[in-house]
Amino acid sequence: DTGVSQDPRHKITKRGQNVTFRCDPISEHNRLYWYRQTLGQGPEFLTYFQNEAQLEKSRLLSDRFSAERPKGSFSTLEIQRTEQGDSAMYLCASRKGQGRGSPLHFGNGTRLTVT
Amino acid sequence: GDSVTQMEGPVTLSEEAFLTINCTYTATGYPSLFWYVQYPGEGLQLLLKATKADDKGSNKGFEATYRKETTSFHLEKGSVQVSDSAVYFCALSDQPGNTPLVFGKGTRLSVIA
Repeated sequence: DTGVSQDPRHKITKRGQNVTFRCDPISEHNRLYWYRQTLGQGPEFLTYFQNEAQLEKSRLLSDRFSAERPKGSFSTLEIQRTEQGDSAMYLCASRKGQGRGSPLHFGNGTRLTVT
Repeated sequence: GDSVTQMEGPVTLSEEAFLTINCTYTATGYPSLFWYVQYPGEGLQLLLKATKADDKGSNKGFEATYRKETTSFHLEKGSVQVSDSAVYFCALSDQPGNTPLVFGKGTRLSVIA
């Protein structure tokens, strides 16, 4: 079990630029989640995949955000025309099984700073 | 909708003190409950969980009991260490299957020697 891997760890970008983050889940986990965490807050759900299908999107996920999981393995989260309010830690998590007792396994996150 | 409310931090304790971090929840169904811990610069790690009423989750000296009658899942540890300094998040998962976890805002714990 190599854990959930996220890349990059840190990203600094100028307002208006596009950024893309990558997440590699634990290999046998078919469910993959993206969360956003701002300072002093708990993680907020953004979107979720089961295999390659994107099954749920939060209202937090504006039109500038898009996520993909093309082969049901790794996932990417793209933010277009970044704004300063997008500055946050973006967390990826994966999960095995569908019982509500099945925990999420988190990566270390990508910290985005928009200047 | 579902929600989790945690006591506000920061909480500062001396080493070997007793810890309680309160957590209450609101859920439409019969949720599973979790505590996650986040150490500086790292992602969230599962600390413990409970899936039904009166279950006690435990790990690394931490315990939490699922209290359906009071909709609570308070985290406790009898003797904290400096290495326990972190942010603790209470979370719930309501419906089986795909529902994402709903998190509280977190409680920062600082333990001083």
